[in-house]
Amino acid sequence: GEDVEQSLFLSVREGDSSVINCTYTDSSSTYLYWYKQEPGAGLQLLTYIFSNMDMKQDQRLTVLLNKKDKHLSLRIADTQTGDSAIYFCAVHVAGNMLTFGGGTRLMVKP
Amino acid sequence: DGGITQSPKYLFRKEGQNVTLSCEQNLNHDAMYWYRQDPGQGLRLIYYSQIVNDFQKGDIAEGYSVSREKKESFPLTVTSAQKNPTAFYLCASSIGSGDTQYFGPGTRLTVL
Repeated sequence: GEDVEQSLFLSVREGDSSVINCTYTDSSSTYLYWYKQEPGAGLQLLTYIFSNMDMKQDQRLTVLLNKKDKHLSLRIADTQTGDSAIYFCAVHVAGNMLTFGGGTRLMVKP
Repeated sequence: DGGITQSPKYLFRKEGQNVTLSCEQNLNHDAMYWYRQDPGQGLRLIYYSQIVNDFQKGDIAEGYSVSREKKESFPLTVTSAQKNPTAFYLCASSIGSGDTQYFGPGTRLTVL
């Protein structure tokens, strides 16, 4: 089955850019997602990208997809303290449910 | 407002008691899911349902049970057979089983 991996932790200074990375194994993925989880809350859908796209930008968020390397990244520009959260990537392969990564905890220092 | 609700937000139970967590959605979604999240951990799938009156075990179904009698509702019962039930429980729904999942706010269960 699909395997989705993320690094556990990322620390950045307020105002810097954050880049959260995700790798997956199944090259037949269709949609790839980023979710945000704030402390004690559910997961909030941030953005998604279709597998025939290389990049998607939405305000401070930029998603990059490298299908050859099976690598997905989420860049947050001008990172704020309110961006501190756990970020999950999730991958959909046709005929299956979403597979979630283990989450990356982003800490933003003032 | 359309969305997914979970109740209660916090739940305390004594060891050996069964407890039922509520999940309701008014998004007209066919598929619903239950996940467990332990501190500092990712999501683990407990049960999922693709349609009313049907459900399947996920990766960690032992000690849990579900029902899907209505499209809007997917309650999860944590039984006394679950060895370590203290965790954060998340419910989600999607249009179909492979579609975007939308999450409820979660229920934190503490067994004393």
